Amino acid sequence: GQQVMQIPQYQHVQEGEDFTTYCNSSTTLSNIQWYKQRPGGHPVFLIQLVKSGEVKKQKRLTFQFGEAKKNSSLHITATQTTDVGTYFCAGPGAGSYQLTFGKGTKLSVIP
Amino acid sequence: DSGVTQTPKHLITATGQRVTLRCSPRSGDLSVYWYQQSLDQGLQFLIQYYNGEERAKGNILERFSAQQFPDLHSELNLSSLELGDSALYFCASSEQGLGQPQHFGDGTRLSIL
Repeated sequence: GQQVMQIPQYQHVQEGEDFTTYCNSSTTLSNIQWYKQRPGGHPVFLIQLVKSGEVKKQKRLTFQFGEAKKNSSLHITATQTTDVGTYFCAGPGAGSYQLTFGKGTKLSVIP
Repeated sequence: DSGVTQTPKHLITATGQRVTLRCSPRSGDLSVYWYQQSLDQGLQFLIQYYNGEERAKGNILERFSAQQFPDLHSELNLSSLELGDSALYFCASSEQGLGQPQHFGDGTRLSIL
């Protein structure tokens, strides 16, 4: 079945440093979604990318969808303590109704 | 507030018991999903319903079952509980259930003693 892998599993950064997490799918995705889960909270939808090569920005967050629609990345510029949490990518395979989630990247920001 | 309501927030029970988790989707959403999240683990998809019908099944144990009612709320039934079933159970909903963004509830934390 479809597998979605994320690296790294954990990342510790000093406040102000940049952070990137990568997502790779074993199959082509019709779209890629990113979610953030704060400690003790629930996953919250951040963004959806649909087109091959698409790049979207949300303030300090930049999301990219690969040309082959099998990989994606999330880059945070100048991290802040409010960025702490686990970032998940998820995507439906072609013709699939369900999202397959990656295991997430847990970001810790040291003040 | 995501608009998805899950009850109860916490549940403590013993091995061998049966529990029911409840979920009310966001207004207008027809599809409901159930996920299991163990400590520091990712989200394991269990099952999806769309407008009352089962649409997709994931790694759901035979001891677990779910249904979606005509008013679109859903229940997840867990029976013959084992220690390993202790986890956070999330419900999510989306408009049509065709790979669209999902909105998650606060979850039910299930502890098996």
